[in-house]
Amino acid sequence: NAGVTQTPKFRVLKTGQSMTLLCAQDMNHEYMYWYRQDPGMGLRLIHYSVGEGTTAKGEVPDGYNVSRLKKQNFLLGLESAAPSQTSVYFCASSFDVPRKNSYEQYFGPGTRLTVT
Amino acid sequence: AQSVTQLDSQVPVFEEAPVELRCNYSSSVSVYLFWYVQYPNQGLQLLLKYLSGSTLVKGINGFEAEFNKSQTSFHLRKPSVHISDTAEYFCAVLDPQGAQKLVFGQGTRLTINP
Repeated sequence: NAGVTQTPKFRVLKTGQSMTLLCAQDMNHEYMYWYRQDPGMGLRLIHYSVGEGTTAKGEVPDGYNVSRLKKQNFLLGLESAAPSQTSVYFCASSFDVPRKNSYEQYFGPGTRLTVT
Repeated sequence: AQSVTQLDSQVPVFEEAPVELRCNYSSSVSVYLFWYVQYPNQGLQLLLKYLSGSTLVKGINGFEAEFNKSQTSFHLRKPSVHISDTAEYFCAVLDPQGAQKLVFGQGTRLTINP
């Protein structure tokens, strides 16, 4: 099992450019999440999905869109990148019904995005 | 609403010394608490969790944490740290309803000096 993978690992964008970050999981998880990590602020939830075809806003959704067309994939889009979106982005996934009372979220390795 | 406060942004300690990383939470629902660890240039991995039962929970790599309901705390401890424990540590509270969203603290960077 590869677990949770993210593509790309690094990216530099100019202000106004667009891009899509891909998250894939092979654990048959129902729930998927996108976080951003900024120094001194921990991880903040951008958007999440409770199943194929569903998405919902998290704590900091502005400037981002998401799609979950397939159960195993969760895409995060930036339509018009801004310097404030410079961050490290993490994807995570989990079961909807906790296995062995776990509630664990499994994280990808992250994507480091710089917007100049 | 739920929130988590990690009281120390950085903690430097010497190798083989004990360490405590502090975490306080606020929650109006059942409390499910987690500590995650992030090694340099990696994603997060679960260190330990408290869901119910014994208030002292043990995790991987010799870490343990104690849930204290009266003080709304979930401090992480290790009696003797190693260089390999250098990492950032995140405390988080989970809302078990709905999408099981995690709310993270700000993180504590643990630096082990030889």
